[in-house]
Amino acid sequence: GDSVTQMEGPVTLSEEAFLTINCTYTATGYPSLFWYVQYPGEGLQLLLKATKADDKGSNKGFEATYRKETTSFHLEKGSVQVSDSAVYFCALSLNNAGNMLTFGGGTRLMVKP
Amino acid sequence: SAVISQKPSRDICQRGTSLTIQCQVDSQVTMMFWYRQQPGQSLTLIATANQGSEATYESGFVIDKFPISRPNLTFSTLTVSNMSPEDSSIYLCSVEDPGQYYGYTFGSGTRLTVV
Repeated sequence: GDSVTQMEGPVTLSEEAFLTINCTYTATGYPSLFWYVQYPGEGLQLLLKATKADDKGSNKGFEATYRKETTSFHLEKGSVQVSDSAVYFCALSLNNAGNMLTFGGGTRLMVKP
Repeated sequence: SAVISQKPSRDICQRGTSLTIQCQVDSQVTMMFWYRQQPGQSLTLIATANQGSEATYESGFVIDKFPISRPNLTFSTLTVSNMSPEDSSIYLCSVEDPGQYYGYTFGSGTRLTVV
């Protein structure tokens, strides 16, 4: 079945450090890929997405590129801030109407001042 | 993007009782999804709810434990029945958002603690 694997956390960084959170997937079709963020005590918010190979999603300084050849969608940010501390979820959805999201296990990011 | 109002935001319940969680969407949507997030874990899909038909449950989830209603295209409820401490989780509803190409919007979640 479809699955998403992301690096385990927590990831602890100092402010302004470079961030990479790895995400790889297995899918029977051609999925859309997503990164969601969950700030403490809140629900999930869509951070960025990519719907086909080689697409790059970007938002709030974060970016991720859909790599079909390596089945990956790694999240990167050049300079993290304390306010980026949250749990990040990689997810996929097959491109059919009504398909639900399949989530990775989540990666907690802690940014220290 | 769609806006989802989910309530209650949190509750503490006695074991053996039931809690009904509501999700109201500000636009009509075909599919609504209910997820569970156990403490420190990722999200697991409970069921998919279509208006006018019975919900489709994922493996490990049954209608008697998690009955779902979907009376119209903007509203759904999930009931957690005969609760035990193992049901303590965050429950989230989600919709496929027509404002986002293949995107999904989530409610803010219901944090349930069963004592």
